[in-house]
Parts: sequence; C-alpha cells; structure tokens
Amino acid sequence: QVQLVESGGGVVQPGGSLRLSCAASGLIFTNYGMYWVRQAPGKGLEWVAFIWSDGSQKYYADSVKGRFTISRDNSKNTLFLQMDSLRAEDTAVYYCAKDAYGSSWGHSDSWGQGTLVTVSS
Amino acid sequence: DIQMTQSPSTLSTSVGDRVTITCRASQSISNWLAWYQQKPGKAPKLLIYKASSLESGVPSRFSGSGSGTEFTLTISSLQPDDFATYYCQQYNSYVTFGGGTKVENK
Repeated sequence: QVQLVESGGGVVQPGGSLRLSCAASGLIFTNYGMYWVRQAPGKGLEWVAFIWSDGSQKYYADSVKGRFTISRDNSKNTLFLQMDSLRAEDTAVYYCAKDAYGSSWGHSDSWGQGTLVTVSS
Repeated sequence: DIQMTQSPSTLSTSVGDRVTITCRASQSISNWLAWYQQKPGKAPKLLIYKASSLESGVPSRFSGSGSGTEFTLTISSLQPDDFATYYCQQYNSYVTFGGGTKVENK
C-alpha cells in the first residue's frame, strides 16, 4: 500500500527557511503528480503547490509564489518543498498528497501524516 | 480562481440520521469534484471523486451527486465513526477546497 512520510518541520523565525521532504513507498512514484497541502491551526485545507510526475511543470498558490519551491527526486521516490522568506501565516501542518493522475489536476487518494511548521520569533 | 462554498459549516446530528452537505462552485467544474473526511489530528481521507465515484473501501452509506456548480455529499445513515469534518475539493482548474463542514453529535 502507498505510504507517504513527511519530515523536516519545526520552529523557524520569520524570514527563515525550511525544507520539507516526503518519502514515498508502495507506488511507482514516477507515474504520479504530487501535491503539498497545508492546514493552519483550527483552519481548513489550503493547496500550496503541485508538480507533475516528471517534474516538468510546477504550480503554486498565490500565497506562496516566489517564496516556496516544489521539486522531486524520482530516483529516490522523494518530494520536497523548499520554503524561504517564511511568515507567521505560513504556520501550519504541511501534508504531501499523491495525485490520482500523472500530469493533470486530480483528486488525492493518498496523504502523509503531516509535518508541523511553526514560524515564530 | 474558482471558489468553493460549503454549507452548512456545522451540522449537529445524531446516529442514524441522513446527512446532506452542499458544495457550490463559483463557476462550472463539470464533475471534477472530490469529497474528503478529516478527523482531528489526522490526514484527510478520500471518500468520493469525480462527484459520484466511491473510493475503494469507503462504506456505501456515503454517496455524492451533482455536476456543474452544485454538488452534495450524502451519508444515508450516520454512524458513530462518521463524526468528522468534511471538505469538498474542485480540480477542474488548479485545486480549491471548500471551507469544511463539521458534523457533530447533537
């Protein structure tokens, strides 16, 4: 079965950087697009970024465009999210999620357990 | 950007009740809509995709309907395990989630 395990969360000061990772197993990683979705404390779900299966196309929510970078290493079955210029409003649990398709927007049929990012001085 | 509006935001209900949650899109999304269930401290779980297709392993008391701009998630007879928050998601153009509906015990 598909397993997605996020890591890299923690406490960071405003303006700082953090790199999240998502290790995937139980699937042919190169076949699927991948998402990062976040959830601020007590709030709803917010899409952050999406990358095609081959990494050739990347998309970002307006709230993180220019500050976050999504990438993947298909040789290591790993998804990344580089987060720079972090703000207090970026505080959230960050989930990686598997797209049901390879190179188009779709629903997410597998999710990781999430990693908490706290931006605070 | 496509906006998704869920109603109600909170639903107080009892075991055995029929539950209906509505999701409206700001423009037509055909049937590119999914429903997720989330419990506190847990990741979302896919219930329905393409508006009405039941994800494998999801109980048949869950069903989805609609197309265009108006969609519904129905739980035919609420079970104790179903108290949770439910989100709709459009994936016609990028991805947008609804604000969520918390189903709580009356």
